[in-house]
Amino acid sequence: QKEVEQDPGPLSVPEGAIVSLNCTYSNSAFQYFMWYRQYSRKGPELLMYTYSSGNKEDGRFTAQVDKSSKYISLFIRDSQPSDSATYLCAMRRPARQLTFGSGTQLTVLP
Amino acid sequence: DTAVSQTPKYLVTQMGNDKSIKCEQNLGHDTMYWYKQDSKKFLKIMFSYNNKELIINETVPNRFSPKSPDKAHLNLHINSLELGDSAVYFCASSKGGSWVNYGYTFGSGTRLTVV
Repeated sequence: QKEVEQDPGPLSVPEGAIVSLNCTYSNSAFQYFMWYRQYSRKGPELLMYTYSSGNKEDGRFTAQVDKSSKYISLFIRDSQPSDSATYLCAMRRPARQLTFGSGTQLTVLP
Repeated sequence: DTAVSQTPKYLVTQMGNDKSIKCEQNLGHDTMYWYKQDSKKFLKIMFSYNNKELIINETVPNRFSPKSPDKAHLNLHINSLELGDSAVYFCASSKGGSWVNYGYTFGSGTRLTVV
């Protein structure tokens, strides 16, 4: 079993929809949580970073962490075709490198 | 442009060859990494390098060897290439050690195809 599980999709939604992307993890030692966005043939870029349980909002993006359930989510409001990409969750234990989920491929249809 | 840059972007080579991928960052970061991304988009850490300390992922074959001439460069040399080495290799960097509270900045990747 992988330490971080993420539904690979693909996920297709109409423009303007609310998108929910999720990851679960098995290791309770993970303390730092991130979401990366990767466009086709590009490197991942950091979208959101959070440490504590709860919500963190940045524009149309909201990251949610529930440490008790070992579950993190990324919500995208008013989704746009430019949001079409692969979204990777990532998390880290203290003094360790990032561990990534396998990514969810999202397509927002105009 | 401030960035993490990798060369080459594409590399097609025959089995058994030796090849190198170069990585440079001008962000002033002091930790650099190599990740391998397979066809299913799964990113797996290969190496991290901070202040001359090399941390090796134990699943990486010893045909892979990172070389860091200075903090701004981390190259990856691969000996005796195999078909299973075909993947996209990403270089990344971060401020401070790999354990600090910062995200990583990734390069655009090197798409390696072994034929």
